[in-house]
Order: sequence, then structure tokens, then C-alpha cells
Amino acid sequence: QMRLEESGPGLVRPSETLSLNCSVSGGSITTTSYYWTWVRQPAGKGLEWIGRIFSSGSTSYNPSLKSRVSISLDTSNNQFSLKLTSVTAPDTAMYFCARVSLDFRYYYIDVWGKGTTVTVSS
Amino acid sequence: EIVLTQSPGTLSLSPGERATLSCRTSQTVSSAFLVWYQQTPGQPPRLLIYAGSTRATGVPARFRGRGSGTDYTLTIDSLEPEDFAVYYCQVYDSSLWTFGQGTKVEIK
Repeated sequence: QMRLEESGPGLVRPSETLSLNCSVSGGSITTTSYYWTWVRQPAGKGLEWIGRIFSSGSTSYNPSLKSRVSISLDTSNNQFSLKLTSVTAPDTAMYFCARVSLDFRYYYIDVWGKGTTVTVSS
Repeated sequence: EIVLTQSPGTLSLSPGERATLSCRTSQTVSSAFLVWYQQTPGQPPRLLIYAGSTRATGVPARFRGRGSGTDYTLTIDSLEPEDFAVYYCQVYDSSLWTFGQGTKVEIK
């Protein structure tokens, strides 16, 4: 059974870059059956999709974050990463990494990490 | 960019009652790309329904999704104690994913 686990600093200073990794176990991130995605959730608020990456390296990002976000694959370590530049307080949130399954023509997020809390503060 | 509007914001019901949650999209979407998730406090979301009406593995039959065009609903027949949670709809369109703002189903 595939498992995902987020890791990275819990505190990031304003204007700096938020960097998180998502370690994948129980399967390879190079499989063409899945996309890999990041979702965030400010405390007490709803879910916000950040972006996704396919095994080919192709990416797609939330237009509201596109200028600041990048997602990449690290196939040697079977993990994928998120970088968000120039962070401010509104970027404070729980960050989830997750797997998007491709089932015929259907897409859905079916495996989630537990999430990691990132606070932006000086 | 598609906007998803969920209503009501909060639904106060008693165990055993039926819950009907709405998700409206700002543009017509294929039901193939409409997904529902459930989230309980302190947990990541859980996949409930994909392709508009297909229950994910292990999801009880009391959860039913339906809809087309711009109007989608999630119905929970006879609420169980573990069903009191927040529910999100999500759509996939042109390589972008978007979530609704969520509906909280709380115990009355």
C-alpha cells in the first residue's frame, strides 16, 4: 500500500522560500498511473490546490500561485518536492502531499499524506 | 477558471436523518471530473465519490453522488455518527484542480 509523508521546516520567515518534500513508499513515483500533487489548508479553512506533477515532469499550477510555485520530482529518492517563493503570512497552512490516480478518464486524489504545518513568521 | 460553490455552508442534522449537499460549478463540467471528499478534524481528506457518482473503495452505500452540467449533489442517507464532518467537492478542468469551500455537517 502506497504511503506518502511530508517533511520540511515548520517555520519559514517572510519573503523566504518554503521547501517541502514528500517521500513516497510502497510504489514508484515514475509510474504513469499517477500524478503527484500538493494541497494546502489554512487552519479552520478550506482546501486549496497548489499544483501537480506527472512522471514525465510536466506540471500544472494553481493560477493564483503560479508565479511563486514549483513542483519537481526526485526519482533517485522516490520523492517529489514543493517550493513556494516569497512567502507571506497567508501562506501559513497545513500542507498535504497526495497521489492523484488516473482511472480510465477519471482523476481523483486517493492517497494523502498526514500533512505538515508550515508557519510563516519572523 | 472554474469556481465551485457549495451550499449550505453548515448543515445541522441529527443521526439517522438525510443530508443533501450541493456543489454548483461556474461552468458546465463533465461529471467524469467531479469528486467528493470527506474530512474529519485533524485528518487529511478522504476520497468518497469520483466520476460524479462512483463510490470509492470501502465507502458505504449511504453516500450517493449525482448531477450533471453545473449542479451536483452528495446525499448521505441516514447519517451515522462518523459522517459528521466537512465535505468538499472538487473538479478537474484543463489540467487544473479546484475545490469548493466545503459544507460542514454538524450534529443538531
